[in-house]
Amino acid sequence: KNEVEQSPQNLTAQEGEFITINCSYSVGISALHWLQQHPGGGIVSLFMLSSGKKKHGRLIATINIQEKHSSLHITASHPRDSAVYICAVRSGETSGSRLTFGEGTQLTVNP
Amino acid sequence: DVKVTQSSRYLVKRTGEKVFLECVQDMDHENMFWYRQDPGLGLRLIYFSYDVKMKEKGDIPEGYSVSREKKERFSLILESASTNQTSMYLCASSLWGGAGGYTFGSGTRLTVV
Repeated sequence: KNEVEQSPQNLTAQEGEFITINCSYSVGISALHWLQQHPGGGIVSLFMLSSGKKKHGRLIATINIQEKHSSLHITASHPRDSAVYICAVRSGETSGSRLTFGEGTQLTVNP
Repeated sequence: DVKVTQSSRYLVKRTGEKVFLECVQDMDHENMFWYRQDPGLGLRLIYFSYDVKMKEKGDIPEGYSVSREKKERFSLILESASTNQTSMYLCASSLWGGAGGYTFGSGTRLTVV
């Protein structure tokens, strides 16, 4: 079993729909990251969370530390949101601060 | 605009060649990382460095080595490229402890033929 599990693996939506991507993890963490990867490979950091909820534009990220679960929501989805969304967790405060990644969720938003 | 720059977006090399992948960051970050990304496996850590001349093995270091002679530059070396090293390689950097998040490069898609 992976330490970080995402669901669903693939998600297809119509423009305007509300989208939720889930992430569950099995280790103690100091922070959880949501990343976005567009075709071509570059990865952009969307959120870093250690508790509660963060919002940026149409994106909302929540985390429940007790349940070891986080969700990424996209409101009023748009075709330009099509990308792979990756959940990653950082364990502890060691110098290396390694991230452990989920396998990603491929989101396709159709016009 | 702060960034992590990888020297090549696409690279094709022959089996047995020595391959250098270069990564440069301009944020004065202590930590630098090399990952490879393969379908169905996600991102896996090859090596990371938390200071100049310091390095630690990640989850899949076999067949790779790294060099960090200057704080801003972290090089990944494939000593003798093999076809199973065909992959997307991503470099990232962060401050000590990961505070402030991570910044990723655009990736290098390496094909070994």
